[in-house]
Amino acid sequence: DGGITQSPKYLFRKEGQNVTLSCEQNLNHDAMYWYRQDPGQGLRLIYYSQIVNDFQKGDIAEGYSVSREKKESFPLTVTSAQKNPTAFYLCAARSGNTIYFGEGSWLTVV
Amino acid sequence: GNSVTQMEGPVTLSEEAFLTINCTYTATGYPSLFWYVQYPGEGLQLLLKATKADDKGSNKGFEATYRKETTSFHLEKGSVQVSDSAVYFCALSDRGLNNAGNMLTFGGGTRLMVKP
Repeated sequence: DGGITQSPKYLFRKEGQNVTLSCEQNLNHDAMYWYRQDPGQGLRLIYYSQIVNDFQKGDIAEGYSVSREKKESFPLTVTSAQKNPTAFYLCAARSGNTIYFGEGSWLTVV
Repeated sequence: GNSVTQMEGPVTLSEEAFLTINCTYTATGYPSLFWYVQYPGEGLQLLLKATKADDKGSNKGFEATYRKETTSFHLEKGSVQVSDSAVYFCALSDRGLNNAGNMLTFGGGTRLMVKP
């Protein structure tokens, strides 16, 4: 699984709140990624980071923010600006030319 | 740009049937190709990969051959089991972006349902 840990597994958010999803990796991967998956759909790239203190927007970055202060950590914040945040969020990291995924986090707006 | 097209599901098979899930791609450069599997409620697991033309990736009885001439990477298994029920994603990673960070381009996923 590439040594990637996501938490929490399930998270509920009230409308207007920001929430942060954690992603940690212990295998010294340089590049890390956040994807969003909606039910029955494929994956869409939110943000990615190739090195510490650097990150780039993916295809659907609006309403999300990230940081990469440490190599092993790449948290994703879902802000109140994200109008439809209910989804399954997947963190990933690259080893060589292969990308490995964490177990995912379910976010539900209540 | 890069794109991956895979057959729409669901694919419903009886146990021990032969499985084929078609995947074709469009890419610049020389991509690496991947199949990922997603079991209900879980993240994606790498199933197999191939990094150059004519390579065959294989794992757990599944296999796929990188066909550059037809830009395809079809997933096959000779005898499926109920435990193979999952969603399968074909993906490519453009090796041309290796220094800038490999990113995956995914197909839409194919749900496989295997009945006893």
